[in-house]
Amino acid sequence: AQKVTQAQTEISVVEKEDVTLDCVYETRDTTYYLFWYKQPPSGELVFLIRRNSFDEQNEISGRYSWNFQKSTSSFNFTITASQVVDSAVYFCALSENWIYNQGGKLIFGQGTELSVKP
Amino acid sequence: EPEVTQTPSHQVTQMGQEVILRCVPISNHLYFYWYRQILGQKVEFLVSFYNNEISEKSEIFDDQFSVERPDGSNFTLKIRSTKLEDSAMYFCASNGAGQGPNSYYNEQFFGPGTRLTVL
Repeated sequence: AQKVTQAQTEISVVEKEDVTLDCVYETRDTTYYLFWYKQPPSGELVFLIRRNSFDEQNEISGRYSWNFQKSTSSFNFTITASQVVDSAVYFCALSENWIYNQGGKLIFGQGTELSVKP
Repeated sequence: EPEVTQTPSHQVTQMGQEVILRCVPISNHLYFYWYRQILGQKVEFLVSFYNNEISEKSEIFDDQFSVERPDGSNFTLKIRSTKLEDSAMYFCASNGAGQGPNSYYNEQFFGPGTRLTVL
């Protein structure tokens, strides 16, 4: 069965601090996709990144970076120099091997609420 | 940029009433989904839909729920007799997999959600 665990329920940092959000996943498939979504207070889900299981390269996008390690089944997300606008709930999600006609549902973790204080 | 739209943004209903939540997926997408998020909790998969039929559904998606694509653009979620515990944010998503160079890339585009309140 597939499962996503975000052990950190809430994190509070002061602006300009770096913060890492942890994500650990379980899957029996060798082909899968991992995602991060941001949910600001307004409630919508904002797509941040998708990573497939064959690509273990770390990725950096501005102040955001992602560390994917298959050996530990982790896909952690780091925000460098956090800003107040980063305050949101962040969800990690997993989609197993996409099967034609099923379309690959997303399994979400519980989310981590990040609060960045000025 | 194309986007998924949902109406209404907020729906208030009495327990036992039927509600229909509407979604307009991105045109030319073929896979459609409904998810729900109870306040303060994680996003949960309800159902996926392809080729005019349900392709997968979760345990949450019981007989009270149904989905339909009544025309070429809308995708609806119906709850026949709402319960208090159906109060949640409902997200629609669509997936363009099967088209284009990244045809097997699973990227789901989410709508802004409909907040359902059952009184």
